[in-house]
Amino acid sequence: AQSVSQHNHHVILSEAASLELGCNYSYGGTVNLFWYVQYPGQHLQLLLKYFSGDPLVKGIKGFEAEFIKSKFSFNLRKPSVQWSDTAEYFCAVNALRGSQGNLIFGKGTKLSVKP
Amino acid sequence: ETGVTQSPTHLIKTRGQQVTLRCSSQSGHNTVSWYQQALGQGPQFIFQYYREEENGRGNFPPRFSGLQFPNYSSELNVNALELDDSALYLCASSFSRLNNMNTEAFFGQGTRLTVV
Repeated sequence: AQSVSQHNHHVILSEAASLELGCNYSYGGTVNLFWYVQYPGQHLQLLLKYFSGDPLVKGIKGFEAEFIKSKFSFNLRKPSVQWSDTAEYFCAVNALRGSQGNLIFGKGTKLSVKP
Repeated sequence: ETGVTQSPTHLIKTRGQQVTLRCSSQSGHNTVSWYQQALGQGPQFIFQYYREEENGRGNFPPRFSGLQFPNYSSELNVNALELDDSALYLCASSFSRLNNMNTEAFFGQGTRLTVV
């Protein structure tokens, strides 16, 4: 069965620190990959997505992610975090075979940024 | 805002009762997916509706059922509620074609269901 692993449950950083959140998935075929963010009290919002092409994907608010197919990974990065980045971050995978288009999510990483 | 609206925002039900949650999809979207997000977990896929037909189901029992209407809005019904059904229920809409169901989904704010 397909699964998504997010390695960090809770990350605490100071403002201006660099961020990298790990995401690995288990599926041998072609996938679409997503990072969603959930700010406190708000809906899930798409940060960025990878469908095909350049494996380095740039998203909103200065976030980027790199798809490394050989490692089944799609790690999220930001060079300098802000207090407003405090939120929960979810990695999600959508397999392109045998799927009706549903997303499989990781358990999420809570990011707390100290001002 | 995503244009996906869910109602109600919060709900408290008693074990054994039935509940109906509603979702209005974003204009132009024809596909609705429902997810359950338990506390401290990522969203888990319940089922998906495409053009009024169920188009895939996750590992949820039959007491979880749904509908999609001609305007592509959707309902999630849960019968015989259990304490473990307490969770945030998320609706996501997207535009899909039969040969391409894997498109970007837009989420609503969710319905927080508490079963006591």
